Amino acid sequence: GAGVSQSPSNKVTEKGKDVELRCDPISGHTALYWYRQSLGQGLEFLIYFQGNSAPDKSGLPSDRFSAERTGGSVSTLTIQRTQQEDSAVYLCASSPGEDSTDTQYFGPGTRLTVL
Amino acid sequence: SQKIEQNSEALNIQEGKTATLTCNYTNYSPAYLQWYRQDPGRGPVFLLLIRENEKEKRKERLKVTFDTTLKQSLFHITASQPADSATYLCALENFGNEKLTFGTGTRLTIIP
Repeated sequence: GAGVSQSPSNKVTEKGKDVELRCDPISGHTALYWYRQSLGQGLEFLIYFQGNSAPDKSGLPSDRFSAERTGGSVSTLTIQRTQQEDSAVYLCASSPGEDSTDTQYFGPGTRLTVL
Repeated sequence: SQKIEQNSEALNIQEGKTATLTCNYTNYSPAYLQWYRQDPGRGPVFLLLIRENEKEKRKERLKVTFDTTLKQSLFHITASQPADSATYLCALENFGNEKLTFGTGTRLTIIP
């Protein structure tokens, strides 16, 4: 079946512009996660959704970052007034959400470059 | 402060030998620990999960151990093959916390 998909795969933007990154989780998965991976760094947790609500937003780096999820499915991560330090690969993962030990299935990521 | 450290950034192993990767953590009380594989340009792929009350878990040529006294997990690939070359990430979740925290990974290269 279809895995987690993310769009766009690559995004180049100018400093100060807003960007929207999209994640389509595996159908039926209730849990959805956003991570950021900078060059040579591990995955940095950003936010977690259970259904449409976000019980844990603790990883969002600043108030320029926001995320929403509608219909318990698609999620968008929005970065306002982008800065060069926002350049990274943004990864989305989903899991069935019934058990906290559920495997997370990752998408291919969106590579964001802020010039 | 909380830390997850993987033994080295890069590890080169001769084909056919056993590759051993290390994951150490401090100031965590993990409910379980997971290992993922990540190939360039792709998202991580789940390999194995081991719970805090388990000592060892195996899957084909893979073996994971978990020592909560040493605060360490070892990840072994036996009879390594060039196709095993990738970055391997450990990740853990504290009790009562849904969030997975990842190590920075070890880039493994199997030399033919």
